[in-house]
Amino acid sequence: AQRVTQPEKLLSVFKGAPVELKCNYSYSGSPELFWYVQYSRQRLQLLLRHISRESIKGFTADLNKGETSFHLKKPFAQEEDSAMYYCALSRSSGGSNYKLTFGKGTLLTVNP
Amino acid sequence: GAGVSQSPSNKVTEKGKDVELRCDPISGHTALYWYRQSLGQGLEFLIYFQGNSAPDKSGLPSDRFSAERTGGSVSTLTIQRTQQEDSAVYLCASSPRRARVSETQYFGPGTRLLVL
Repeated sequence: AQRVTQPEKLLSVFKGAPVELKCNYSYSGSPELFWYVQYSRQRLQLLLRHISRESIKGFTADLNKGETSFHLKKPFAQEEDSAMYYCALSRSSGGSNYKLTFGKGTLLTVNP
Repeated sequence: GAGVSQSPSNKVTEKGKDVELRCDPISGHTALYWYRQSLGQGLEFLIYFQGNSAPDKSGLPSDRFSAERTGGSVSTLTIQRTQQEDSAVYLCASSPRRARVSETQYFGPGTRLLVL
């Protein structure tokens, strides 16, 4: 079974401080990992995905298969980063590889 | 162009009543997904459509839940004899082509269902 754990429901940092949102997963096969973000009064949207190895809005995430983690990081948080962040997992190939399993989310607040 | 739209945005119903939730995907998107987010829970996959067919209904929680898609476009999620545990936000998403991991899923704003 697939499982995604985001241990922090709430995370509060000051503007300019580094931020790390933790994500751990459980999956026996080869996973693909994603981060989705939902800003206030907006819809859920893809932030970044492991397979693209990209940096979006200054955020990066590295897949650590040994620790089964996919933590989201940003060196200098901005107030506009305040949002709900969801980590998600799918199979990398084979059947049902479209099916996303989500964590429960972390609400990030960046204080001025 | 317009994104995924869902209606109604909010629905309050009494226990035992049937409800229909509607999803309009992005025009031309062939894959459509329904998810549910209960209070304090992550998003839970319900069903996936490719065109008008639903090859994966594995996430539907009970036989009170059903969904259909017509014309390769609009989808309706129906919940019969609603129960209080059905209260949740129901999200719809679509993606351009045949569903695969590389396809970005574009989400609608959701329908917030409250069963009294």
